[in-house]
Amino acid sequence: GQQVMQIPQYQHVQEGEDFTTYCNSSTTLSNIQWYKQRPGGHPVFLIQLVKSGEVKKQKRLTFQFGEAKKNSSLHITATQTTDVGTYFCAAQGGSEKLVFGKGTKLTVNP
Amino acid sequence: DVKVTQSSRYLVKRTGEKVFLECVQDMDHENMFWYRQDPGLGLRLIYFSYDVKMKEKGDIPEGYSVSREKKERFSLILESASTNQTSMYLCASRRDREVGYGYTFGSGTRLTVV
Repeated sequence: GQQVMQIPQYQHVQEGEDFTTYCNSSTTLSNIQWYKQRPGGHPVFLIQLVKSGEVKKQKRLTFQFGEAKKNSSLHITATQTTDVGTYFCAAQGGSEKLVFGKGTKLTVNP
Repeated sequence: DVKVTQSSRYLVKRTGEKVFLECVQDMDHENMFWYRQDPGLGLRLIYFSYDVKMKEKGDIPEGYSVSREKKERFSLILESASTNQTSMYLCASRRDREVGYGYTFGSGTRLTVV
């Protein structure tokens, strides 16, 4: 079945440093979604990317969808302690079913 | 806001018991999903449903079944609980083909099988 690889698995940064997580699929995706899960919480939807080469911003977060629609990235500028959590990408092929990456766990040292 | 409610936050069951996990959403979403989440393995899809009485297997359906008799309710059933089914179970829902919106997850049920 469809698989999505997400790297890195863990990232520890100092507050104020930037952070990036990457997501790769072997197949072309109809769209990709990003979720954040705070410690002890449940995944919360952040954004959906649909178009080839799409770039979207939410304050300090920048999301990109590759030209071939096989990869995506999430970049956080100047991390804050509130950014702590696990970030998941989730790929959608041809159905409503989502396949999740294993996530990148971000810790921020104040 | 869409609300997805899972009936129990924590549950402890004995090996061999039949276990029901209930999930209710209040926004008339067509699609509902059951995932389990384990450290190092991420979220894995157990079953999903795109309409009442419809169900499809996900990636790890063995040992589980589901029921969707009403649009708002999607139940996950562990026919005979085993210790390897100890996990966090997450229910989610989504409106059909809605662009710009993702899954809405419930708060999860942490199931321990002893």
